[in-house]
Amino acid sequence: QQQVKQSPQSLIVQKGGISIINCAYENTAFDYFPWYQQFPGKGPALLIAIRPDVSEKKEGRFTISFNKSAKQFSLHIMDSQPGDSATYFCAAPRSNDYKLSFGAGTTVTVRA
Amino acid sequence: DAGVTQSPTHLIKTRGQQVTLRCSPKSGHDTVSWYQQALGQGPQFIFQYYEEEERQRGNFPDRFSGHQFPNYSSELNVNALLLGDSALYLCASSFSSSNQPQHFGDGTRLSIL
Repeated sequence: QQQVKQSPQSLIVQKGGISIINCAYENTAFDYFPWYQQFPGKGPALLIAIRPDVSEKKEGRFTISFNKSAKQFSLHIMDSQPGDSATYFCAAPRSNDYKLSFGAGTTVTVRA
Repeated sequence: DAGVTQSPTHLIKTRGQQVTLRCSPKSGHDTVSWYQQALGQGPQFIFQYYEEEERQRGNFPDRFSGHQFPNYSSELNVNALLLGDSALYLCASSFSSSNQPQHFGDGTRLSIL
């Protein structure tokens, strides 16, 4: 039972460009929506998270946009840098459910 | 402020053996979750421990078991290892509430020969 669908599977962006990753969820009872960044050989690092009562949250070059009616949330990476090249996962925990359901991941490659 | 630490970083075992992986949560966290991440996939939830008890379990067989100690650290045990158990095993810690973000360690890479 896939609760979170993530797209695209991979993307390539030029340095300075904008990377956009989208996630759609099926359940309405999520407490928050975190995004994780994972480099090869490392664990997922919490990048940014948003609660469903907020439509947008920005931290530096990273912005989460949340569309409750469409059941979608997205990650925007502004001014993409080569150091942003990594795999990004969206995730969602349901209320009173302790596990994180992850999307399939998006591999971002930033070309210099 | 130490983050989530896991040991060992790498491990090689053969089929049928047993393995124990260890995790120390982030300072101040009391809840530990374990995930399995196969190559090229997202992490899959194994189980979560809180107050030294298994609070929730994912779709993993009984060969996977765990323990949480009074200092909140945790162990993951896998018996009768199969080739398919080869994966990155991740530990995540959080506060007890379900709506708090989970923080991950760098995992243990387990290879089964």
